[in-house]
Amino acid sequence: AAGVIQSPRHLIKEKRETATLKCYPIPRHDTVYWYQQGPGQDPQFLISFYEKMQSDKGSIPDRFSAQQFSDYHSELNMSSLELGDSALYFCASSRTGQAKVRRRDPFADTQYFGPGTRLTVL
Amino acid sequence: SQQGEEDPQALSIQEGENATMNCSYKTSINNLQWYRQNSGRGLVHLILIRSNEREKHSGRLRVTLDTSKKSSSLLITASRAADTASYFCATANAGGTSYGKLTFGQGTILTVHP
Repeated sequence: AAGVIQSPRHLIKEKRETATLKCYPIPRHDTVYWYQQGPGQDPQFLISFYEKMQSDKGSIPDRFSAQQFSDYHSELNMSSLELGDSALYFCASSRTGQAKVRRRDPFADTQYFGPGTRLTVL
Repeated sequence: SQQGEEDPQALSIQEGENATMNCSYKTSINNLQWYRQNSGRGLVHLILIRSNEREKHSGRLRVTLDTSKKSSSLLITASRAADTASYFCATANAGGTSYGKLTFGQGTILTVHP
Protein backbone atom coordinates (compact mmCIF):
# COMPACT_ATOMS: atom_id res chain seq x y z
CA ALA A 1 0.00 0.00 0.00
CA ALA A 2 1.11 3.54 -0.68
CA GLY A 3 2.67 5.35 2.24
CA VAL A 4 3.46 8.93 3.05
CA ILE A 5 6.40 10.17 1.01
CA GLN A 6 8.79 12.81 2.24
CA SER A 7 11.63 14.48 0.44
CA PRO A 8 14.44 14.99 0.82
CA ARG A 9 15.32 12.31 3.36
CA HIS A 10 18.41 14.17 4.50
CA LEU A 11 19.26 17.84 4.27
CA ILE A 12 22.29 19.77 5.43
CA LYS A 13 22.11 23.54 5.60
CA GLU A 14 24.13 26.39 7.00
CA LYS A 15 22.82 28.82 9.58
CA ARG A 16 20.57 31.52 8.15
CA GLU A 17 19.85 29.49 5.02
CA THR A 18 16.40 28.36 3.93
CA ALA A 19 15.02 24.87 3.49
CA THR A 20 11.91 23.39 1.90
CA LEU A 21 10.59 20.01 2.97
CA LYS A 22 7.99 18.20 0.90
CA CYS A 23 5.32 15.74 1.88
CA TYR A 24 3.07 13.61 -0.31
CA PRO A 25 0.18 12.12 1.70
CA ILE A 26 -1.42 8.76 1.19
CA PRO A 27 -3.90 8.97 -1.72
CA ARG A 28 -7.39 10.08 -0.65
CA HIS A 29 -6.14 11.38 2.69
CA ASP A 30 -7.45 14.89 3.26
CA THR A 31 -5.39 15.99 6.26
CA VAL A 32 -1.67 16.55 6.55
CA TYR A 33 0.28 17.15 9.76
CA TRP A 34 3.85 18.28 10.35
CA TYR A 35 5.85 17.29 13.45
CA GLN A 36 9.34 18.08 14.64
CA GLN A 37 11.38 15.62 16.70
CA GLY A 38 14.57 16.86 18.31
CA PRO A 39 17.32 14.45 19.37
CA GLY A 40 16.08 12.19 22.16
CA GLN A 41 12.73 13.96 22.30
CA ASP A 42 9.18 13.12 21.45
CA PRO A 43 7.58 14.53 18.29
CA GLN A 44 6.06 17.99 18.63
CA PHE A 45 3.15 19.13 16.51
CA LEU A 46 3.88 22.07 14.21
CA ILE A 47 0.93 22.62 11.88
CA SER A 48 -1.83 20.82 10.01
CA PHE A 49 -3.95 21.28 6.91
CA TYR A 50 -7.34 19.97 5.97
CA GLU A 51 -8.50 20.34 2.38
CA LYS A 52 -5.72 22.85 1.68
CA MET A 53 -6.68 25.11 4.57
CA GLN A 54 -4.66 25.42 7.75
CA SER A 55 -6.61 23.54 10.39
CA ASP A 56 -4.39 23.84 13.46
CA LYS A 57 -1.16 25.41 14.55
CA GLY A 58 1.24 24.28 17.23
CA SER A 59 4.69 25.32 18.29
CA ILE A 60 5.80 26.43 14.86
CA PRO A 61 8.29 29.33 14.76
CA ASP A 62 7.36 32.41 12.78
CA ARG A 63 10.34 31.64 10.55
CA PHE A 64 8.52 28.57 9.32
CA SER A 65 5.53 28.48 7.01
CA ALA A 66 3.66 25.72 5.31
CA GLN A 67 0.94 25.15 2.79
CA GLN A 68 -1.02 22.39 1.17
CA PHE A 69 -1.46 22.40 -2.57
CA SER A 70 -4.32 21.39 -4.84
CA ASP A 71 -2.86 17.90 -5.25
CA TYR A 72 -2.77 17.64 -1.42
CA HIS A 73 0.97 17.58 -1.15
CA SER A 74 2.38 19.91 1.46
CA GLU A 75 5.56 21.90 1.84
CA LEU A 76 7.21 23.19 4.98
CA ASN A 77 9.34 26.25 4.34
CA MET A 78 11.98 27.13 6.89
CA SER A 79 13.93 30.36 6.76
CA SER A 80 16.79 31.89 8.75
CA LEU A 81 17.73 28.43 9.94
CA GLU A 82 19.21 28.10 13.40
CA LEU A 83 21.31 25.34 14.95
CA GLY A 84 18.34 24.40 17.11
CA ASP A 85 16.27 23.60 14.02
CA SER A 86 18.33 20.44 13.52
CA ALA A 87 15.80 17.66 13.95
CA LEU A 88 13.73 15.00 12.28
CA TYR A 89 10.72 16.47 10.54
CA PHE A 90 7.81 14.17 10.05
CA CYS A 91 4.77 14.53 7.91
CA ALA A 92 1.69 12.46 8.63
CA SER A 93 -1.60 12.09 6.83
CA SER A 94 -5.05 10.88 7.72
CA ARG A 95 -8.56 10.86 6.34
CA THR A 96 -9.87 12.67 9.34
CA GLY A 97 -11.60 15.75 8.11
CA GLN A 98 -15.21 14.85 7.54
CA ALA A 99 -17.35 13.80 10.48
CA LYS A 100 -19.31 11.38 8.35
CA VAL A 101 -16.08 9.68 7.34
CA ARG A 102 -15.01 9.38 10.94
CA ARG A 103 -18.33 7.85 11.95
CA ARG A 104 -18.28 5.04 9.41
CA ASP A 105 -14.59 4.37 8.99
CA PRO A 106 -12.89 2.61 11.89
CA PHE A 107 -9.49 3.62 10.55
CA ALA A 108 -10.24 7.30 10.15
CA ASP A 109 -8.16 9.47 12.47
CA THR A 110 -5.22 7.09 12.23
CA GLN A 111 -2.20 9.18 11.36
CA TYR A 112 0.31 7.51 9.11
CA PHE A 113 3.78 8.95 9.27
CA GLY A 114 6.34 9.35 6.56
CA PRO A 115 9.97 8.31 7.02
CA GLY A 116 10.96 11.83 7.98
CA THR A 117 13.47 14.38 6.77
CA ARG A 118 16.60 14.69 8.86
CA LEU A 119 17.65 18.33 8.82
CA THR A 120 21.10 19.23 10.02
CA VAL A 121 21.96 22.90 10.43
CA LEU A 122 25.69 23.65 10.64
CA SER B 1 4.67 18.33 31.84
CA GLN B 2 3.75 16.48 28.69
CA GLN B 3 0.14 15.66 27.86
CA GLY B 4 1.24 12.07 27.53
CA GLU B 5 3.65 10.71 30.06
CA GLU B 6 4.95 7.22 29.77
CA ASP B 7 6.45 4.83 32.17
CA PRO B 8 8.75 3.18 32.41
CA GLN B 9 11.15 5.36 30.46
CA ALA B 10 13.23 2.29 29.72
CA LEU B 11 12.40 -1.41 29.89
CA SER B 12 14.80 -4.29 29.40
CA ILE B 13 13.49 -7.84 29.09
CA GLN B 14 14.38 -11.24 27.69
CA GLU B 15 12.92 -12.66 24.52
CA GLY B 16 9.66 -14.46 25.19
CA GLU B 17 8.71 -12.25 28.13
CA ASN B 18 5.84 -9.78 28.06
CA ALA B 19 6.42 -6.05 28.01
CA THR B 20 3.97 -3.56 29.49
CA MET B 21 4.20 0.17 28.91
CA ASN B 22 1.92 2.74 30.49
CA CYS B 23 0.82 6.16 29.36
CA SER B 24 -1.02 8.90 31.23
CA TYR B 25 -2.59 12.03 29.85
CA LYS B 26 -4.32 15.10 31.16
CA THR B 27 -7.14 16.30 28.91
CA SER B 28 -10.23 14.71 27.41
CA ILE B 29 -9.34 12.75 24.33
CA ASN B 30 -10.97 11.54 21.16
CA ASN B 31 -8.53 8.72 20.66
CA LEU B 32 -5.14 7.44 21.74
CA GLN B 33 -2.63 5.96 19.34
CA TRP B 34 0.49 3.92 19.96
CA TYR B 35 3.52 4.18 17.72
CA ARG B 36 6.82 2.43 17.48
CA GLN B 37 10.07 4.04 16.37
CA ASN B 38 13.36 2.40 15.67
CA SER B 39 16.33 4.62 16.39
CA GLY B 40 16.24 7.70 14.18
CA ARG B 41 13.66 6.17 11.89
CA GLY B 42 10.01 6.83 11.13
CA LEU B 43 7.02 6.33 13.37
CA VAL B 44 5.10 3.15 12.70
CA HIS B 45 1.46 3.13 13.72
CA LEU B 46 0.58 0.19 15.94
CA ILE B 47 -2.95 0.65 17.16
CA LEU B 48 -5.65 3.27 17.71
CA ILE B 49 -8.14 3.07 20.55
CA ARG B 50 -11.09 5.44 20.73
CA SER B 51 -12.33 7.11 23.89
CA ASN B 52 -15.42 4.87 23.99
CA GLU B 53 -13.34 1.70 23.78
CA ARG B 54 -11.71 -0.07 26.70
CA GLU B 55 -9.51 -2.67 25.06
CA LYS B 56 -8.16 -3.55 21.65
CA HIS B 57 -6.02 -6.33 20.31
CA SER B 58 -3.82 -6.59 17.29
CA GLY B 59 -1.65 -9.67 16.96
CA ARG B 60 0.68 -9.74 19.97
CA LEU B 61 -0.42 -6.26 21.03
CA ARG B 62 -3.08 -5.48 23.59
CA VAL B 63 -4.03 -1.92 24.42
CA THR B 64 -6.27 -0.82 27.25
CA LEU B 65 -7.75 2.58 27.90
CA ASP B 66 -9.14 3.87 31.19
CA THR B 67 -10.61 7.30 30.58
CA SER B 68 -11.55 7.72 34.24
CA LYS B 69 -7.88 7.45 35.17
CA LYS B 70 -6.72 9.06 31.94
CA SER B 71 -4.33 6.22 31.29
CA SER B 72 -3.54 3.57 28.72
CA SER B 73 -1.31 0.56 28.60
CA LEU B 74 0.37 -1.32 25.78
CA LEU B 75 1.15 -4.97 26.31
CA ILE B 76 3.44 -6.82 23.94
CA THR B 77 3.26 -10.55 24.51
CA ALA B 78 5.97 -13.09 23.72
CA SER B 79 8.44 -10.36 22.89
CA ARG B 80 11.09 -10.76 20.22
CA ALA B 81 14.46 -9.10 19.73
CA ALA B 82 12.92 -7.31 16.73
CA ASP B 83 10.51 -5.55 19.11
CA THR B 84 13.43 -3.48 20.39
CA ALA B 85 12.43 0.12 19.74
CA SER B 86 10.98 3.23 21.34
CA TYR B 87 7.24 3.18 21.92
CA PHE B 88 5.17 6.34 22.07
CA CYS B 89 1.60 6.99 23.01
CA ALA B 90 -0.09 9.96 21.37
CA THR B 91 -3.43 11.52 22.16
CA ALA B 92 -5.87 13.40 19.96
CA ASN B 93 -7.94 15.87 21.96
CA ALA B 94 -11.68 15.86 21.96
CA GLY B 95 -13.61 18.80 20.56
CA GLY B 96 -12.52 22.33 19.86
CA THR B 97 -10.56 23.26 16.81
CA SER B 98 -7.60 21.07 17.69
CA TYR B 99 -9.16 17.92 16.34
CA GLY B 100 -6.64 15.49 15.01
CA LYS B 101 -3.28 16.82 16.10
CA LEU B 102 -1.39 14.37 18.24
CA THR B 103 0.33 15.12 21.51
CA PHE B 104 3.05 12.59 22.17
CA GLY B 105 4.34 11.15 25.40
CA GLN B 106 8.04 10.94 26.07
CA GLY B 107 8.26 7.32 25.03
CA THR B 108 9.47 4.06 26.49
CA ILE B 109 12.69 2.55 25.21
CA LEU B 110 12.19 -1.20 25.05
CA THR B 111 15.17 -3.52 24.75
CA VAL B 112 14.51 -7.20 24.17
CA HIS B 113 17.56 -9.40 24.68
CA PRO B 114 17.84 -12.58 22.58
